[in-house]
Amino acid sequence: EPEVTQTPSHQVTQMGQEVILRCVPISNHLYFYWYRQILGQKVEFLVSFYNNEISEKSEIFDDQFSVERPDGSNFTLKIRSTKLEDSAMYFCASSPGQGQGYEQYFGPGTRLTVT
Amino acid sequence: AQSVTQLGSHVSVSEGALVLLRCNYSSSVPPYLFWYVQYPNQGLQLLLKYTSAATLVKGINGFEAEFKKSETSFHLTKPSAHMSDAAEYFCAVSDTGGFKTIFGAGTRLFVKA
Repeated sequence: EPEVTQTPSHQVTQMGQEVILRCVPISNHLYFYWYRQILGQKVEFLVSFYNNEISEKSEIFDDQFSVERPDGSNFTLKIRSTKLEDSAMYFCASSPGQGQGYEQYFGPGTRLTVT
Repeated sequence: AQSVTQLGSHVSVSEGALVLLRCNYSSSVPPYLFWYVQYPNQGLQLLLKYTSAATLVKGINGFEAEFKKSETSFHLTKPSAHMSDAAEYFCAVSDTGGFKTIFGAGTRLFVKA
């Protein structure tokens, strides 16, 4: 069964460094998403992406964050200058369509630790 | 705006007992609702989803949920808990435009032998 994959599974970085989290969505999906989950808290929406553009973003997704689909398969989340509070599990998701009822398929997550 | 509220951050049941995880939603339009499970150090796995086709939804691993519009609820149940059911469970709702999924705070299920 097709699945969303994410690399790396765990990333440790120093405060102020740039990180890029990578995702490979399911191949025929057109809509891509990033979510994050701070330890012990709820899963929070960051951004949705379609047709090489951001469809919607949350207030969390500030100028320090960016997303890109550099080729036909990868979908990346970049954090330009990491802060301690960016430590979280980051989940990528994809869906074949957009609209209510289309479920989003989640990857296993990347645990980001900022020291 | 859509939202979900999960009642109880922790639920503990004995193996073989009924599992009931509560979720109430708020939505200005007919909602599309989901239950996800997260095992330790793993991602989110879809258990089941409600998309208005039937009020009683059956999912994987013996779980089911009933949509009750009058109570704005979508509680998750399983008749007999198994040790392997121990995990975090998230109720979620699709936002109006379907651009994002809005998650509840989660309920951690403990299963005692």
